[in-house]
Amino acid sequence: DTAVSQTPKYLVTQMGNDKSIKCEQNLGHDTMYWYKQDSKKFLKIMFSYNNKELIINETVPNRFSPKSPDKAHLNLHINSLELGDSAVYFCASSQGDRTSNQPQHFGDGTRLSIL
Amino acid sequence: GNSVTQMEGPVTLSEEAFLTINCTYTATGYPSLFWYVQYPGEGLQLLLKATKADDKGSNKGFEATYRKETTSFHLEKGSVQVSDSAVYFCALSDMVSWGKLQFGAGTQVVVTP
Repeated sequence: DTAVSQTPKYLVTQMGNDKSIKCEQNLGHDTMYWYKQDSKKFLKIMFSYNNKELIINETVPNRFSPKSPDKAHLNLHINSLELGDSAVYFCASSQGDRTSNQPQHFGDGTRLSIL
Repeated sequence: GNSVTQMEGPVTLSEEAFLTINCTYTATGYPSLFWYVQYPGEGLQLLLKATKADDKGSNKGFEATYRKETTSFHLEKGSVQVSDSAVYFCALSDMVSWGKLQFGAGTQVVVTP
């Protein structure tokens, strides 16, 4: 069974559209994350939720809106897509609280391409 | 703020060669340190970790030692295989940020037969 699964794996769409990426984890973890990996492979945190509560919100355009219906799911909705949004988006999860240093488990990523 | 600096790639070496990837960090307090590996087309996998000074993380023949005095966490492997070709990321998390990972820029390693 896949521990952290993201859908879709590939997403190709036009500039200006709205799209969503879904993430689910079956590890029983409390905390989930979204990271963005740019074309140079650089990874940067975007958001994090702990038990459905937003705990990390980095400097991300407000076109990006995460939603966590329950602690096993963290979805990412993006409005008015721009060329610069093209990237690979990774979902991750871990167990623990604010002082936790538990390793994160990553999904396989969603490659978003804006035409 | 926290930061991680790792050597730029690509690093190209022959099978059975010795691999070192340098990683240094800046952080307040006592962060945990990680190495993650990303194989082509896949997500990141934890390779090894260390949570306090002088800890040595090891896995699959890779090792890294948490050196507080030099703020370093260099990754080493004594004899690489073609299957080790991947991008390697050094990362840290501090003790107050919900496990948020601060990544280095990644180092691509290419192992040739």
